[in-house]
Amino acid sequence: EVQLVESGGGLVQPGGSLRLSCAASGFTFSSYWMHWVRQAPGKGLEWVSRIDGDGTTTHYADSVKGRFTISRDQAKNTLYLQMNSLRAEDTAMYYCGKGLRVGVSGTVDYWGLGTLVTVSS
Amino acid sequence: DIQMTQSPSSLSASVGDRVTITCRASQSITSSLNWCQQKPGKAPKLLIFAASTLQGGVPSRFSGSGSGTEFTLTISSLQPEDSATYYCQQSYSAPLTFGGGTKVEIK
Repeated sequence: EVQLVESGGGLVQPGGSLRLSCAASGFTFSSYWMHWVRQAPGKGLEWVSRIDGDGTTTHYADSVKGRFTISRDQAKNTLYLQMNSLRAEDTAMYYCGKGLRVGVSGTVDYWGLGTLVTVSS
Repeated sequence: DIQMTQSPSSLSASVGDRVTITCRASQSITSSLNWCQQKPGKAPKLLIFAASTLQGGVPSRFSGSGSGTEFTLTISSLQPEDSATYYCQQSYSAPLTFGGGTKVEIK
């Protein structure tokens, strides 16, 4: 059974940093694209970033480019999102997601329960 | 970036009604279009990928169609458990983008 468990969210001041983690199990982690998607309170879904199976190719939303870094640790079956220079508008629930099939980069078929990030002074 | 526009933003329908949601892309995305469902306080759930392929375990009353720039999600006979917000999402090119969502309520 596929499981994705996010952690690392919390309250951080504007300009601060936070690292989110997503522990994956139930599938061959290194074979799948992985994603981060966020949802501000009361708002819609916003795709944040994705990384390919071997960690060599990454893409970002314009709103986070240069501030966020996605990475993965194959030995730990864990996905990360390093978030720097955080802004109030980064406040959201952050979900990690697994790619639909090996080699499929743009579709998420499983989502974690999310971790909440609040950026406020 | 590819912009995705959904309509309507909300709708209210009765159990058994046929419901249609439209999604338009700002440029051709071929059939690279997904639909997901999100209930309050829950993570999203993939319903349809590649415009018309039903994800495993999803009831057959859900269907998707379209290609290029215009797509539709149809619920053939609305059920109480279908009360949720529905999002389209293009998987054609990065940055991936979602529509603004359609909130479906049961009368």
